[in-house]
Amino acid sequence: GAGVSQSPSNKVTEKGKDVELRCDPISGHTALYWYRQSLGQGLEFLIYFQGNSAPDKSGLPSDRFSAERTGGSVSTLTIQRTQQEDSAVYLCASSYTGANTEAFFGQGTRLTVV
Amino acid sequence: GENVEQHPSTLSVQEGDSAVIKCTYSDSASNYFPWYKQELGKRPQLIIDIRSNVGEKKDQRIAVTLNKTAKHFSLHITETQPEDSAVYFCAASKGNSGYALNFGKGTSLLVTP
Repeated sequence: GAGVSQSPSNKVTEKGKDVELRCDPISGHTALYWYRQSLGQGLEFLIYFQGNSAPDKSGLPSDRFSAERTGGSVSTLTIQRTQQEDSAVYLCASSYTGANTEAFFGQGTRLTVV
Repeated sequence: GENVEQHPSTLSVQEGDSAVIKCTYSDSASNYFPWYKQELGKRPQLIIDIRSNVGEKKDQRIAVTLNKTAKHFSLHITETQPEDSAVYFCAASKGNSGYALNFGKGTSLLVTP
């Protein structure tokens, strides 16, 4: 079946604008994660969904970042008033039940704030 | 939350040699420890994982060991090949639905012919 799908693949935005990043997880996967990866850096945890609720949103760097998940499926990560330091690859992953099962990653959205 | 430390950050070995990457974790309740490989420009993919009820797991040329008392786990790659060159991430989680998967900062492995 289809893997984790993210859109857009690339996004260039002007500083101060809002952006929305979308993640379509593998069908039937209840757990969904967002991570941020800056150039050559590690996987910075942002938020974790189990179904539609977010038991762990401790990684969101500021109140400009928010995320939601509807219908236990699609998730959107919204960044308001983007800053240059927000430039990174945003990766979404999903797993069947939770953090003790294999996480499948999407191809990422490369965000560039100019 | 869980803090995962990974060492070294870069590792260069000659083809055929072994490579070892080490991770430590902070939360003694963590019980699931996967390793992911990320090739240049690609998404991370699971290569091996271990749960807290075993001390070692092997899959062909890769193996992972876990020491729960010391709260550390390691990835061992034997007979390295150039295609093993990638960034490797360790992770830890408490393994139930309330907790996320926390990654180390990654190790960039270069295998030279």
